Amino acid sequence: DIQLTQSPSSLSASLGDRVTMTCRASQSISSYLSWYQQRPGKAPNLLIFAASSLQSGVSSRFSGSGSATDFNLTISSLQPEDFAIYYCQQTYSNPISFGQGTRLEIK
Amino acid sequence: EVQLVQSGAEVKKAGESLNISCQASGYTFNDFWIGWVRQMPGKGLECMGVIYPGDSDTRYTPSLLGQVTISADRSINTAYFQWDSLTASDTAIYYCVRLRTKGGSYLDVFDLWGQGTMVTVSS
Repeated sequence: DIQLTQSPSSLSASLGDRVTMTCRASQSISSYLSWYQQRPGKAPNLLIFAASSLQSGVSSRFSGSGSATDFNLTISSLQPEDFAIYYCQQTYSNPISFGQGTRLEIK
Repeated sequence: EVQLVQSGAEVKKAGESLNISCQASGYTFNDFWIGWVRQMPGKGLECMGVIYPGDSDTRYTPSLLGQVTISADRSINTAYFQWDSLTASDTAIYYCVRLRTKGGSYLDVFDLWGQGTMVTVSS
């Protein structure tokens, strides 16, 4: 099974900041990496797929990069609604797996 | 509106059976894989398995094989997640999801989520 490790586990930032979080895969997954946002008490929401493709309807403040084993999610100019938990997901092989999450908090 | 609407919260005892549902609307149910994702209290996301309603092809996370059953009823655009015998460790929120690509692979991202069904199992 492919393991995904996210870092940091939690991150404090201020409104307007630019933040980057990382997801590392235990083996190469090409570009089969996606990112989800989960706000408190809500279902997750797809942000980025295929490592860098923005899902329809998602703000262009979100961007993804990387390939093989190392991936980043960057949020430019943080807004209040961005404070949430972010999960990466690999769809390279079965079982589909998620990272443990990065919690983004207001400083 | 394209949406997945799940059945309501359940409170059960260990050893009981349970069936939770997910009704799709606003798109062609047969053409997209449907999956189930578990989130245990305060924890992350785990994919449990997926089904292609068009032909009932079903894939389970290997560690769960035999513990749960995923099915779909095309006539009412509804997918199901079933336990024959619950345990306390099944306590979680269960989300149904739609996989993104029409007629695509079961290895795909989840572009549509249900609101979640909270299942509480007491021992």
